[in-house]
Amino acid sequence: GAGVSQSPSNKVTEKGKDVELRCDPISGHTALYWYRQSLGQGLEFLIYFQGNSAPDKSGLPSDRFSAERTGGSVSTLTIQRTQQEDSAVYLCASSNDAGTVPYEQYFGPGTRLTVT
Amino acid sequence: GQSLEQPSEVTAVEGAIVQINCTYQTSGFYGLSWYQQHDGGAPTFLSYNALDGLEETGRFSSFLSRSDSYGYLLLQELQMKDSASYFCAPLNRDDKIIFGKGTRLHILP
Repeated sequence: GAGVSQSPSNKVTEKGKDVELRCDPISGHTALYWYRQSLGQGLEFLIYFQGNSAPDKSGLPSDRFSAERTGGSVSTLTIQRTQQEDSAVYLCASSNDAGTVPYEQYFGPGTRLTVT
Repeated sequence: GQSLEQPSEVTAVEGAIVQINCTYQTSGFYGLSWYQQHDGGAPTFLSYNALDGLEETGRFSSFLSRSDSYGYLLLQELQMKDSASYFCAPLNRDDKIIFGKGTRLHILP
């Protein structure tokens, strides 16, 4: 079946521009996560959506970052006025808390963002 | 607060056994997951321990001790393809999974 998809796969933008990153989770998955991973580093939690609950935004590094999830499915992560330190791979994951192994996260291929 | 510790790098020989340890501190702990990530790839789920003890899946086993806030991943009969980063990831009561910096496993022929 279809896995988690993300677009674009690569994005090069100039400092100060806004970018939007898209995530299509696995159909029926109620939970959606965004992470950021810099080269050779671990996964930095950004934001978490679970069903109709208010999202957990505790990992967003600044108010330039925002995310929304429409209709409980597709999610968009927006970074305004991009800075060079925003360069990283942005990973999206979804999970189904009613699954055989709840909380198993399925990751998308990521979007590699480069801010020049 | 939350904290997560695992070695940054481990080196082992092909065919051997290696153990990657993880200690964690998180409120409302539910269970411990392990993920594997190859260079340039996305993390993939390996195992989840909700209860104390050992869970075995083929060459990989994962152990949890709740009282010690400790777990480990055991990889047996190491193969070159096991060269990757391994993340322990505690799940807390808010259903949030926390990833650390991971352990990079180098395998020598």
